Amino acid sequence: GDSVTQMEGPVTLSEEAFLTINCTYTATGYPSLFWYVQYPGEGLQLLLKATKADDKGSNKGFEATYRKETTSFHLEKGSVQVSDSAVYFCALSEGRGSARQLTFGSGTQLTVLP
Amino acid sequence: NAGVTQTPKFRVLKTGQSMTLLCAQDMNHEYMYWYRQDPGMGLRLIHYSVGEGTTAKGEVPDGYNVSRLKKQNFLLGLESAAPSQTSVYFCASSYSLGHTSNEKLFFGSGTQLSVL
Repeated sequence: GDSVTQMEGPVTLSEEAFLTINCTYTATGYPSLFWYVQYPGEGLQLLLKATKADDKGSNKGFEATYRKETTSFHLEKGSVQVSDSAVYFCALSEGRGSARQLTFGSGTQLTVLP
Repeated sequence: NAGVTQTPKFRVLKTGQSMTLLCAQDMNHEYMYWYRQDPGMGLRLIHYSVGEGTTAKGEVPDGYNVSRLKKQNFLLGLESAAPSQTSVYFCASSYSLGHTSNEKLFFGSGTQLSVL
């Protein structure tokens, strides 16, 4: 079945450091790929997405490129801020019958120190 | 904008007790979902609904029941709570999950459930 593997956390960085959170996936077809973010005490929010190979999703300074050849969707940000401290989830969506369901990775906790 | 609202936010149960978690959305979404979030395991789908009056099993449905009597509400029930059901429960909704650019889930803020 479909699966998503994320780098294990927690990740601790200093403000303005470069961030990479690795994500690889296993799917039988051509999934859509997502990054969701969960700030403390809140539900998940969509951060960015890509629906086909070589697409780049971007939002709030974060970027991720859909790499079909390496089945990866790594999240990057050039300069993190304290406000980026959250849990980041990689996810994929692939059709099954009449409904497409999201499969989530286990999440990566990011803490940014001032 | 209320979005997706879950009640209650916290609950403590004793083993064998029953309870219902309520999810309400005001975005006229067709699809609704219940997930549980456990440390190191991400989110796992319990049950979902593709429209009023319909429900379907997800990845981890055992021990839970759901109902979607109204389009805006999706209820998750635990008939006889067990310690293994201690978790954070998230409800979500979406307009559709078809292969379109509108794929996006809106999440509630979660319910922390402890079963003693």
